[in-house]
Amino acid sequence: QKEVEQNSGPLSVPEGAIASLNCTYSDRGSQSFFWYRQYSGKSPELIMSIYSNGDKEDGRFTAQLNKASQYVSLLIRDSQPSDSATYLCAVMDSNYQLIWGAGTKLIIKP
Amino acid sequence: ETGVTQTPRHLVMGMTNKKSLKCEQHLGHNAMYWYKQSAKKPLELMFVYSLEERVENNSVPSRFSPECPNSSHLFLHLHTLQPEDSALYLCASSHRGPYNEQFFGPGTRLTVL
Repeated sequence: QKEVEQNSGPLSVPEGAIASLNCTYSDRGSQSFFWYRQYSGKSPELIMSIYSNGDKEDGRFTAQLNKASQYVSLLIRDSQPSDSATYLCAVMDSNYQLIWGAGTKLIIKP
Repeated sequence: ETGVTQTPRHLVMGMTNKKSLKCEQHLGHNAMYWYKQSAKKPLELMFVYSLEERVENNSVPSRFSPECPNSSHLFLHLHTLQPEDSALYLCASSHRGPYNEQFFGPGTRLTVL
């Protein structure tokens, strides 16, 4: 059974601090990894995709991938109240299907 | 219209009703997906269409019937649903392949009475 695990939270972070979200996956053959943000009552919105080991930066967001340890993380620098949402980790399997985590609820406290 | 659109946005139906959800993508993608999202649970993939052919059907009950007339349109026909089918139904589209990024529509909030 292919699985993607995330801490459900909530993760509470002060405004301006770094929020760190983690995700582990079971399928060692996975090659593509995605982070989505979902506001309450809205649909998931793609934030980052990462395919190679290491870091990928886009503005205040950094995705980190470690295939040997089978984890992927998302760092949000200078956290803002507008970053408060549920963050979904998704991992692509060999059939090009996304396996989803249940999400981590992030709360940024002003 | 841009991106992925879904109609209706909200739907309340009785267990004996028949209704349909509609999805349209304006991104030039060749794959479309139906997901179910229930509270506190991961997204559940229901159906995948690639180049208008169904390539995945994750043991979804037959009361859900998908239709993909072309690469831009996707329907989900609903009949004799159960209250546990109440959920957010999401449509997504992508280019089919190892690096595909899926883009979602706004979803249909379905309530079955």
